[in-house]
Amino acid sequence: NAGVTQTPKFRILKIGQSMTLQCAQDMNHNYMYWYRQDPGMGLKLIYYSVGAGITDKGEVPNGYNVSRSTTEDFPLRLELAAPSQTSVYFCASSYRDPRVDTQYFGPGTRLTVL
Amino acid sequence: KNQVEQSPQSLIILEGKNCTLQCNYTVSPFSNLRWYKQDTGRGPVSLTIMTFSENTKSNGRYTATLDADTKQSSLHITASQLSDSASYICVVSSHTGRRALTFGSGTRLQVQP
Repeated sequence: NAGVTQTPKFRILKIGQSMTLQCAQDMNHNYMYWYRQDPGMGLKLIYYSVGAGITDKGEVPNGYNVSRSTTEDFPLRLELAAPSQTSVYFCASSYRDPRVDTQYFGPGTRLTVL
Repeated sequence: KNQVEQSPQSLIILEGKNCTLQCNYTVSPFSNLRWYKQDTGRGPVSLTIMTFSENTKSNGRYTATLDADTKQSSLHITASQLSDSASYICVVSSHTGRRALTFGSGTRLQVQP
């Protein structure tokens, strides 16, 4: 199993550009999440999904959108990129609720907005 | 507001030495507490998970303790190795609420030869 994969690893965007961060898992997990990690800060939840077709906002959803058309994929869309979105983005998944199941994280995408 | 505070922010130790990392939390109602290891440029990987009734949990050279009364946890690393160089993140989960997990900002450990 590849686990949780993310693409791209690195990306530089100009202010106002858009992009999609890709995330896929091959563990048949129901729950998937997007986090951002800013320097010296704890991970912040952006969006999460409890199954295909179901998504919900996390702690910091503004400026982002998600979709979950399949169990395996959970892309994160950035519209009109802003410097405040410069961060490292992690996708994660778990079979059940993260309060009872371990989350498995991808390797991250480092995004810089200039 | 649920919060997780970790100390120290960073730590340098010599290979073979022991160290202890601290985690204080104000998450309520408490469900469980996890310690994750995050290597540079990688995603976090789970080390241990403890529920309310557990005081200690070991994973090889890593031993986590939990005092639910004082809302404190520690991660003790024994006989450190160069590969232990990483950030260690404390994550506390609550029984209720949509934002059920609260992440600490981590302790960055550097093990030197």
